[in-house]
Amino acid sequence: EPEVTQTPSHQVTQMGQEVILRCVPISNHLYFYWYRQILGQKVEFLVSFYNNEISEKSEIFDDQFSVERPDGSNFTLKIRSTKLEDSAMYFCASSAHLDKADSYEQYFGPGTRLTVT
Amino acid sequence: QKEVEQNSGPLSVPEGAIASLNCTYSDRGSQSFFWYRQYSGKSPELIMFIYSNGDKEDGRFTAQLNKASQYVSLLIRDSQPSDSATYLCAVRRWNTGKLIFGQGTTLQVKP
Repeated sequence: EPEVTQTPSHQVTQMGQEVILRCVPISNHLYFYWYRQILGQKVEFLVSFYNNEISEKSEIFDDQFSVERPDGSNFTLKIRSTKLEDSAMYFCASSAHLDKADSYEQYFGPGTRLTVT
Repeated sequence: QKEVEQNSGPLSVPEGAIASLNCTYSDRGSQSFFWYRQYSGKSPELIMFIYSNGDKEDGRFTAQLNKASQYVSLLIRDSQPSDSATYLCAVRRWNTGKLIFGQGTTLQVKP
């Protein structure tokens, strides 16, 4: 069964360092997403990406964040200068389309646990 | 008012019982409604979705939607200890992929 994959599973970094989180969405999916979940809190939307452009982003997704699809399979989230409060689980997700309510499904990867020290 | 509200629980039910999980949402423009299961330290796993008023059944799971009351529920029949997890309700508006999640309800199924 196709699945979203993410690497690394755990990343430890020092405050102020740049990190890149990687994701491989499901192969025939066209829409890609990043979410984060701070420990004990709800899952929060960060950004959606389609056709090599950001289609929507949240208030959390400020200038420190960027996303890229560097090739035909990978989808990355970069945090330029990490802060302590960026420590969280980061989930990548993908969906095949947007407009068919009767079949819209969004699948999540296993996540990357980011620890900023 | 929170966009998506769930009782955080824990909801404790005996093995074999029906577990009932509830969710309310504030945005009347919400189109699709999702239930995800999340085990501790793991990612959300899609259980089922619903977009029309009424009931939708999938195996032991039944989702119920009442758009007039802005209410979604998930029933789990014949609950098993392996169903013990946090259940996340999520909603999305038409033509956006953004999912808005509730805080989740922790379910404990006791053998």
